[in-house]
Amino acid sequence: GDSVTQMEGPVTLSEEAFLTINCTYTATGYPSLFWYVQYPGEGLQLLLKATKADDKGSNKGFEATYRKETTSFHLEKGSVQVSDSAVYFCALGRNSGNTPLVFGKGTRLSVIA
Amino acid sequence: SAVISQKPSRDICQRGTSLTIQCQVDSQVTMMFWYRQQPGQSLTLIATANQGSEATYESGFVIDKFPISRPNLTFSTLTVSNMSPEDSSIYLCSVGADRGGYGYTFGSGTRLTVV
Repeated sequence: GDSVTQMEGPVTLSEEAFLTINCTYTATGYPSLFWYVQYPGEGLQLLLKATKADDKGSNKGFEATYRKETTSFHLEKGSVQVSDSAVYFCALGRNSGNTPLVFGKGTRLSVIA
Repeated sequence: SAVISQKPSRDICQRGTSLTIQCQVDSQVTMMFWYRQQPGQSLTLIATANQGSEATYESGFVIDKFPISRPNLTFSTLTVSNMSPEDSSIYLCSVGADRGGYGYTFGSGTRLTVV
């Protein structure tokens, strides 16, 4: 079945550092890929998504490119801020929306000033 | 994309009691999904709810413990029955991508503490 393997944290970075959180997947066909973010004490928010190979999702300075050849969807940000401290989840779904998302284990990011 | 209203947002319950969580969606959706997020963990799928049929439960989750109702295309409930402290978690409902494919939407979650 579908699965997502995500780099486990915690990750601690200084403000303005470069961020990479690795995510790889196993799936048949052509899934959609997502990054969700959960800020402390808050619900789950969609950060970005990509629905086909070579798509790049981007939002709030974060980017991820759907690489089918390496089955990866790594999350990157060039300069992190303290406000980016959160838990980040990589997830896999289907365009039909009739199957549930499959989540990675999550990566906790702490950014220090 | 769809908007989901989930309630209650949090509750503290006595062991042995039950809590029903409600999710109302602002549009008709075929499938609704219920997840559990234990402290410090990722989201685990409890069940998939399709209107007009019995929910489909994942391994480790049973209907007697987590009964689900789906009376129409915009509403669903999850009941956590005979609660124990191990049930303390965040429970979330979700709906799938709409036809535009703009990602899955989640309710704001119910933070449950069992004492």
